[in-house]
Amino acid sequence: AQSVTQLGSHVSVSEGALVLLRCNYSSSVPPYLFWYVQYPNQGLQLLLKYTSAATLVKGINGFEAEFQKSETSFHLTKPSAHMSDAAEYFCAVSSTGGFGNEKLTFGTGTRLTIIP
Amino acid sequence: GAVVSQHPSRVICKSGTSVKIECRSLDFQATTMFWYRQFPKQSLMLMATSNEGSKATYEQGVEKDKFLINHASLTLSTLTVTSAHPEDSSFYICSARDRVIYEQYFGPGTRLTVT
Repeated sequence: AQSVTQLGSHVSVSEGALVLLRCNYSSSVPPYLFWYVQYPNQGLQLLLKYTSAATLVKGINGFEAEFQKSETSFHLTKPSAHMSDAAEYFCAVSSTGGFGNEKLTFGTGTRLTIIP
Repeated sequence: GAVVSQHPSRVICKSGTSVKIECRSLDFQATTMFWYRQFPKQSLMLMATSNEGSKATYEQGVEKDKFLINHASLTLSTLTVTSAHPEDSSFYICSARDRVIYEQYFGPGTRLTVT
């Protein structure tokens, strides 16, 4: 069984400040980990994914995440927040990297608010 | 980029009626599509996996006779909520997996309200 825990349902940061969204996972097999962003009235967009290659994964819009096996974490960061980053962010885990019937297990989401 | 559409975006129906939600991959082919349900302030819960030309695989606890899924082509999957009840009100999201690059792309979701 797999699960994802996102700490903090709401996070507020000032424009230009560091963004840190936390995600911890539980998996009985080596996991594949994903971060998605959801803007209002839009579908989920893939920010980045970890598929057992480099532990530091760079994604779109300046986001990156580091896979830390010892801490079972995959936190999302961005050095400098922009107003356009305001959205809902979801962490997800899968037991496959995309082959076979890939099932994604999602966290409950973190709403990011940017303070001008 | 790859686009997945859902229709309708919002629907209100009366209790006891059925409603169909379409999920289309607009610029790629998808042998597999997934249907999720999202409750307010909760995560997306996988309801079922549909494969083109075969029966859908439902997650435990999901009533297959209530949530009918059809994946008749490589670009279209439909979810029909039969005999809808107010507790079926939710946000339904589909995703489609590109048959070539295996990336999942999500639709914008459909807000269903049953009165």
